[in-house]
Amino acid sequence: EVQLVESGGVVVQPGGSLRLSCAASGFTFDDYTMHWVRQAPGKGLEWVSLISWNGGHTYYADSVKGRFTISRDNSKDSLYLQMNSLRSEDTALYYCAKNGWLQQLVGPFDSWGQGTLVTVSS
Amino acid sequence: DIQLTQSPSSLSASVGDRVTITCQASQDINNFLNWYQQKPGKAPQLLISDASNLETGVPSRFSGSGSGTDFTFTISSLRPEDIATYYCQHYDRLPITFGQGTRLEIK
Repeated sequence: EVQLVESGGVVVQPGGSLRLSCAASGFTFDDYTMHWVRQAPGKGLEWVSLISWNGGHTYYADSVKGRFTISRDNSKDSLYLQMNSLRSEDTALYYCAKNGWLQQLVGPFDSWGQGTLVTVSS
Repeated sequence: DIQLTQSPSSLSASVGDRVTITCQASQDINNFLNWYQQKPGKAPQLLISDASNLETGVPSRFSGSGSGTDFTFTISSLRPEDIATYYCQHYDRLPITFGQGTRLEIK
């Protein structure tokens, strides 16, 4: 059974930094692109970033480009999101999600974690 | 960026009703369109991929159709456990985007 468990969400001040983690199990982690998706309170879903299965390709939404960095450690079956220069509009529940297609950059998101809450507030 | 416009934004229907949600893309996205269900307090769940492929374990009352820019999601006979918000999502090109969601309630 695929499991994705996010952690690292806390309350942080504007301008601060935070690193989110996602621990994966139940599948061959280094065969799949991974994504971060966020959901502001009471709002819809927003794709944030992806990293290819081997870490060679990364992409970001314009809203986070230059401030967030996605990475992965395939030896630890873990995905990360380094978040810098945080703004109030980054307040959201952050989900990690598994790409559904083997060794493809994009595809349906066939498994999701339960999310970790990031609150940016003074 | 490709914009996805879902209609309606909210919907109230009775148990047993046929429910239809539409998703219109601002550009041709081929069949690279997925549908997710998000129940309150839960993570989204993939129901339909590539416009019409029902995911394993998803009840057959759910279906999807369409291609190009116009897509439809249908629940053939609404059940109480279908109360959720439904999102379309494309992956034709980056950035991946989602529709704004359709909140489904029981009348």
